[in-house]
Amino acid sequence: QVQLQQWGAGLLKPSETLSLTCAVYGGSFSVYYWSWIRQPPGKGLEWIGEINHSGSTNYNPSLKSRVTISVDTSKNQFSLKMRSVTAADTAVYSCARINMITFGGVIDYWGQGTLVTVSS
Amino acid sequence: QSVLTQPPSASGTPGQRVTISCSGSSSNIGSNPVNWYQQLPGTAPKLLIYSNNQRPSGVTDRFSGSKSGTSASLAISGLQSEDETDYYCAAWDDSLNGRVFGGGTKLTVL
Repeated sequence: QVQLQQWGAGLLKPSETLSLTCAVYGGSFSVYYWSWIRQPPGKGLEWIGEINHSGSTNYNPSLKSRVTISVDTSKNQFSLKMRSVTAADTAVYSCARINMITFGGVIDYWGQGTLVTVSS
Repeated sequence: QSVLTQPPSASGTPGQRVTISCSGSSSNIGSNPVNWYQQLPGTAPKLLIYSNNQRPSGVTDRFSGSKSGTSASLAISGLQSEDETDYYCAAWDDSLNGRVFGGGTKLTVL
């Protein structure tokens, strides 16, 4: 049984840094890619970026300058940091597992999601 | 706006067949497999179709997918009230070197 459990601050002020961590339980951590995806209230899904067990990353070009995704294989965890947040970054942030069963991979497991609100 | 284009809404009556389109470009749908997700309110998306037309174990065969050129479609046959929710297409984009989604389609069962 694979579970992704995430945590982090849910209320930030503009210009602060968003920080979330996702712990993976079950399955092989080293076989998959690990991703962060966000969804603004009432809107669609936006891919933030992803990382593999060796630390190789891909980022959404529109967010790349502000985002860092890191991995801690000793704990089967990966983390997201997004700097200089604004109200436009208000969204539900979810961690997810990327299963490379097809080219480009599919998202087959999700964390529970964290609503991050940016407000002064 | 989203890289992949979906109609914002679709509708059908119980028992009807409905299709949802997803339009992209040569750098995403045109060259990579398309996946479809179903998102019930307040929950994480669920993988519905992968690699254009493959159903994960446990997904009913009422859902099917297809792709032609730079467009893809999700078909739902025998429409049921429980199908009333949001659907998203997704693919890898070679130009962006990243994962792209459609804006989502809200399906209403009349």
